[in-house]
Formats: sequence, C-alpha cells, structure tokens
Amino acid sequence: ETGVTQSPTHLIKTRGQQVTLRCSSQSGHNTVSWYQQALGQGPQFIFQYYREEENGRGNFPPRFSGLQFPNYSSELNVNALELDDSALYLCASSSGLGQTNYGYTFGSGTRLTVV
Amino acid sequence: KQEVTQIPAALSVPEGENLVLNCSFTDSAIYNLQWFRQDPGKGLTSLLLIQSSQREQTSGRLNASLDKSSGRSTLYIAASQPGDSATYLCAVSTGRRALTFGSGTRLQVQP
Repeated sequence: ETGVTQSPTHLIKTRGQQVTLRCSSQSGHNTVSWYQQALGQGPQFIFQYYREEENGRGNFPPRFSGLQFPNYSSELNVNALELDDSALYLCASSSGLGQTNYGYTFGSGTRLTVV
Repeated sequence: KQEVTQIPAALSVPEGENLVLNCSFTDSAIYNLQWFRQDPGKGLTSLLLIQSSQREQTSGRLNASLDKSSGRSTLYIAASQPGDSATYLCAVSTGRRALTFGSGTRLQVQP
C-alpha cells in the first residue's frame, strides 16, 4: 500500500507567477484535501475534493484552485503569487468525506518560497 | 467556527518523564479527533485517531483521551525519549470542512 506522494518537494517562485503542486493519494482513497502551513503555525484548510468535485473550501481567495483526476490524484494551482503564499503545502487523502472511521493520511509536503 | 487550542506551546523535559499534552476545541459536534506528529520541515505522521463515540485510544507508549462534551483531549506520552522530540498537532474533523488544527506543542526531550 503506497502512501501520499507530493511533488515537487521544494519550489522557488517569483511574486506574480503561477504554480502547480501535485499529489497522489493513498491507494483506495477517494478524498483529497489541501492545507497551507505557515512557519510556526498549524495547517490551514484550503479545500477538499471528493470524486473530482470540490467539496468544501476554507478561507482562501479564488486564486487558489484545484483539480482532482479520475485516479483521485490532485493538483493545487495558485495564481498571482504573493510573498505571504510562502509556506509548506500539505496534501491529505482519506476514504470517504472525512466523516469516516479512517482519518487522514498526509504527504511530506511541498515547501514553496515566493521571492 | 471551530477553534482548536493546544497547551503548552512548548515543552522541554528530561528523558524518561511521563508527560501530557492538552488540546481543547470550541464546537463539540466533531466526527473524530486525530493527533499527529511533525518533525521540522516535514509532513504529518498520524499517531492516534479517536472517534467521537470513543473515550480513548492507545498505541505503544501513547494514550489519547477524548471528552467531547467538555471539548478536551489529552495525549499522554509515557517514558519519553529523545526521539519523541517533535511538534505534536491535534486536529478535529467537523464534516466537509475537513480538519481544523491547533498550533501544536513543540516538545524537546533532553537526553
């Protein structure tokens, strides 16, 4: 059984650019969530996808968008990057809509630095 | 809006001590509560998952309790070791908004 895989591990972008982060969910999981973790803080929920549709969103602007593919892998896209977008971006997968008995499995994250 | 608070923010103990980390949440309508460990710059490792109908879960030297009505959970670590040094995060699941996290407790176990 494979875990959650994220790519790339590190990324440096310039303010105003666009970035795409990728996540492969754990085998058998159909729900993917994305989180942003600033230094010294707990992760903040960005959005969640279930069966290729957005199924919940946190307090993030529309320039944060995502996709989920038929194989349940996912992308997080951020447009018009700002310095405050610098953070660790975490992907988590689960079986069901998070209301299940199985909890969430997290990937190792992508460290994004905006300069 | 669900809010999760973890106390203390940081903790330093000598090796071998038993210790308790605290987590409180404002909305008791949760599905489950999960404790995670995070090493510096790394992702999250799930330690224990407690369903809303359960009172506690145990794994090795770790024991987590849940009192949903009072909005509290504790993580008990027995006989702490230097390898336990990490940040410990508590998160609650409240339906489709996925997980709400606390800011974590940064633990340092001195050899």
